[in-house]
Formats: sequence, C-alpha cells, structure tokens
Amino acid sequence: QSALTQPASVSGSPGQSITISCTGTSSDFETYNLVSWYQQHPGKAPKLMIYEGTKRPSGVSNRFSGSKSGNTASLTISGLQAEDEADYYCCSSAGPRVFGGGTKLTVL
Amino acid sequence: QVHLQESGPGLVKPSQTLSLTCTVSGGSISSGDYYWSWIRQPPGKGLEWIGYIYYTGSTYYNPSLKSRVTISVDTSKTQFSLRLSSVTAADTAVYYCAREGVTMIVYAFDVWGQGTMVTVSS
Repeated sequence: QSALTQPASVSGSPGQSITISCTGTSSDFETYNLVSWYQQHPGKAPKLMIYEGTKRPSGVSNRFSGSKSGNTASLTISGLQAEDEADYYCCSSAGPRVFGGGTKLTVL
Repeated sequence: QVHLQESGPGLVKPSQTLSLTCTVSGGSISSGDYYWSWIRQPPGKGLEWIGYIYYTGSTYYNPSLKSRVTISVDTSKTQFSLRLSSVTAADTAVYYCAREGVTMIVYAFDVWGQGTMVTVSS
C-alpha cells in the first residue's frame, strides 16, 4: 500500500499555471498509472478531474492535465481562474485505494 | 444521471456501531461496471477510503479498518450499506458513498453522494 505525499499548499495568480505533485512509495504506484485527481470546494463532495493518470472525464476543462513520471504523478492547471481555488487530492488505485493528504490551491 | 444519497444517524455513541446506507438512483447497482465505495473525511482533514463492494457481494477493505468494517449490498433495493463497529471519536467524519468504474473511467470515483456528517459522542 502506497503512502502518497502532496504539498500542503500551492498558489498562483490568475492566468498562470501551477503544478501539484503526488509522490508514492510503493512499486505498484510506480508501475501502474492508476492515479486519479479530485477537486473539492469547501462543504462540497469531491469532483473527479483526472483518471488513469492523464485522462479527463467528459465536462472537465482542458485546462486540467495529468502526468506521471516514475513515482511522482502531477496535476497541472493552466490559465488559473478564481474558481479553481479549492483542495486537490490525488488517489492511487494500485491496491487498496489511498488518497494523498491534499493540497490547498490559492488563487492570488 | 446516476445519483447517490447517504442516509443514517448523525450521532453515534462511543463503542457502538455506525450504520449508513447509500441509495443509488438513475442507474443499476447490478451492472457489473462499478465498485460501490465508502470514503470518509474527518473535519478539516483529508479523504480516507474505507472499502468497496461489487454487486456480487465481493468486498475489498482498507487494511487499517478491515477488522471493524462490513459493507453489504441489496441489489433489489439498489442500496449498499456500511457498518463500522466499536467507534471512537476518531471516527467522527463526513461519510461519502461513491461509484468507482471497473470498465469505464476505470479505478476512479466518478460519482459521489453529497456526504453525511456522523459524530461519535456520548
């Protein structure tokens, strides 16, 4: 079972791009690209933004993209907008599902 | 459009058993295309996966909670349920039910309930 580490916070100005990292410890995390990313606004349920590391569900803006290299997955948000301010969580489904600790994104 | 709705007591006494039900509407719980999961979030903290059930009744639990968790499914009622025994204050959280894809949008939670707050207190 992989522990997933995310930065506690990131920030950026409107129009800029930011990247949130998610580092896993297990060999399964590194081998299988079964990482998903979720956006959560205060008091709301999480929303799926990226699955299988790089795929976007229908309806999710193409400003959101995912990637993975080795034991680190990343979520990039381009053209930051005020509405992107939220908590973001990565999740690994390579074995028991494990969530990262979450990253608070502040749009300055 | 599939909709998930959690229901159950909002207050549970320490050492007792927490019981919640998730009702699935707008879709079939027996399609075989999904796992049906429970996820929780303590106040001000991150998400924790509890476990899932498949429509056949097979289950997969978080190893850290396995000894206290039971997830069951009632396909006739399109419901699945969570039982968590011997609760303590550490089990106080918002509990979400969620759908995880097996054949489509695989291994990701694409539909979530709104969540229900459960407080463990005497």
